[in-house]
Amino acid sequence: AQSVTQLGSHVSVSEGALVLLRCNYSSSVPPYLFWYVQYPNQGLQLLLKYTSAATLVKGINGFEAEFKKSETSFHLTKPSAHMSDAAEYFCAVSGLRGNEKLTFGTGTRLTIIP
Amino acid sequence: NAGVTQTPKFQVLKTGQSMTLQCAQDMNHNSMYWYRQDPGMGLRLIYYSASEGTTDKGEVPNGYNVSRLNKREFSLRLESAAPSQTSVYFCASRKLAASTDTQYFGPGTRLTVL
Repeated sequence: AQSVTQLGSHVSVSEGALVLLRCNYSSSVPPYLFWYVQYPNQGLQLLLKYTSAATLVKGINGFEAEFKKSETSFHLTKPSAHMSDAAEYFCAVSGLRGNEKLTFGTGTRLTIIP
Repeated sequence: NAGVTQTPKFQVLKTGQSMTLQCAQDMNHNSMYWYRQDPGMGLRLIYYSASEGTTDKGEVPNGYNVSRLNKREFSLRLESAAPSQTSVYFCASRKLAASTDTQYFGPGTRLTVL
């Protein structure tokens, strides 16, 4: 079974500062990992995903994440926060077999301070 | 191309009432999913349909039933609503059941059970 843990249910950063949202996974097999973003009163949309092709994954809106097997981590970063980044972010994991389901973390709400 | 649509957007029920949440996708996707989102708990899978004609239980299926009406539509039914089913419900779809495929989410249905 797979699971993810997101450290910090709320993160606040100043506009222009580095964004770092943490995600650690637990999996008995090499995982596929995803970051989704949810803007207020909307559904989730994919930011990026790791599917074993490259450990550093670039996504939309300037976000990227690095898969570190030794640390079982897949942290999300953005060099310079923008007000429009304020949202809730979810890390998710699935296994390698066909028809594997996504298991989501509990989410991190990102607030941007002007 | 509307993506994943859900109706209704909001609903208030009394305990014991029944209702059906509707979901449709126009992306010719094979797999469809129903999740519920509760504060501090992330998204939890209720039911899914890997392909037309099949449905399977997810993590929290009790109190729900589903119907994969055709390839486009996947409905979620609450036969006798309970206050514990107050939540935001999201439908999602993906092209294949493959683990690397992106799930696309609808805008959600906010359900309150009094």
